Amino acid sequence: EAGVAQSPRYKIIEKRQSVAFWCNPISGHATLYWYQQILGQGPKLLIQFQNNGVVDDSQLPKDRFSAERLKGVDSTLKIQPAKLEDSAVYLCASNHGFRDRDHNEQFFGPGTRLTVL
Amino acid sequence: AQSVTQLDSHVSVSEGTPVLLRCNYSSSYSPSLFWYVQHPNKGLQLLLKYTSAATLVKGINGFEAEFKKSETSFHLTKPSAHMSDAAEYFCVVSPIYYNQGGKLIFGQGTELSVKP
Repeated sequence: EAGVAQSPRYKIIEKRQSVAFWCNPISGHATLYWYQQILGQGPKLLIQFQNNGVVDDSQLPKDRFSAERLKGVDSTLKIQPAKLEDSAVYLCASNHGFRDRDHNEQFFGPGTRLTVL
Repeated sequence: AQSVTQLDSHVSVSEGTPVLLRCNYSSSYSPSLFWYVQHPNKGLQLLLKYTSAATLVKGINGFEAEFKKSETSFHLTKPSAHMSDAAEYFCVVSPIYYNQGGKLIFGQGTELSVKP
């Protein structure tokens, strides 16, 4: 079974520029998550999709961050404009769903490391 | 509200000696609990999970954790450390009720170093 795919793996931009990250979840997984992991910290949820609908985006900085999952499969996370404090690893994860307590573990992609100069 | 506290930011052990990584959680409901491991420049990998069945949970690579409700703890242990165990370990709590969406709440992480 193929894992969660993310691209690019690394990105360096200057502040105020725009950037986009792509995620392809494990086939058949209905739920997709984007996390932000700042150096030295644990990942923090930015947004969660169930199929193509948003379940939780309470911690997404909506003035600069946006995300979509148009066909309920791939997802894109965008930052516009980027700030220095956005430097982090952006992780995508997926699972079959969150209501089944015995099968709710999330599978993570390798992440995209963003550096904002 | 859910939260996780990892009591040590860094743990150093010698190869072949026991490993103990400590985690306390806070949850209004009986949560799902996980331990994930992150090797440098690699993605997060699930070590083990607790979902209300047996309180002693066995995971991959010889790791296990015990859920203690009275102490609100979920410490990770391994009898004998291997050099390949050196990594960052995250204790994670997930609320199980519908309106929380199953998001994972991570601790700050514990870096495990293994000396030869």
